[in-house]
Amino acid sequence: EAGVVQSPRYKIIEKKQPVAFWCNPISGHNTLYWYLQNLGQGPELLIRYENEEAVDDSQLPKDRFSAERLKGVDSTLKIQPAELGDSAVYLCASGEGLHTDTQYFGPGTRLTVL
Amino acid sequence: GQQVMQIPQYQHVQEGEDFTTYCNSSTTLSNIQWYKQRPGGHPVFLIQLVKSGEVKKQKRLTFQFGEAKKNSSLHITATQTTDVGTYFCAGGSNDYKLSFGAGTTVTVRA
Repeated sequence: EAGVVQSPRYKIIEKKQPVAFWCNPISGHNTLYWYLQNLGQGPELLIRYENEEAVDDSQLPKDRFSAERLKGVDSTLKIQPAELGDSAVYLCASGEGLHTDTQYFGPGTRLTVL
Repeated sequence: GQQVMQIPQYQHVQEGEDFTTYCNSSTTLSNIQWYKQRPGGHPVFLIQLVKSGEVKKQKRLTFQFGEAKKNSSLHITATQTTDVGTYFCAGGSNDYKLSFGAGTTVTVRA
């Protein structure tokens, strides 16, 4: 069974530039999560989708971050414009949609903003 | 909001020794999950505990959920170099939210 796929794995951009990350969850998983992980910290939830609906985006900085999951499968996370403090690893995870959901993480995208 | 604290932040262990890492929540949890992240890798699910006082074992790893469902522990016996990594606990709530602790980073002296 294929795991969660993310691309790109690494991205280096200059501040004020836009950037987008892509995630393909495990087949059949209805729930998709985007997390941000800073060095030495645990993952912090940005947004959670159930199918194509964003059911929790309370932690998403909506002035510069946006996300979509148009067909309830793949998802993209965008930052525009990027700031120096956005440098982090962006993790995508998927789950079966249960309230005791086990989360399966992708390899992440390491973003460096110069 | 829900906060999950883990101690210690770092654990340096002699190969063959035992150690325990602890996880504490400010609120009662519906479940607790443990993940392991190897250096340069991503979090990988280890186990989930749901019931008050529940204890589960995976080979040399023993996981426990407190009676009040506000704390948990992970005990590793006879530590091996393969145990190196960061262990995260994540507290689950009935609104589907999973709050991760900052992790315990384990290094092993051979």
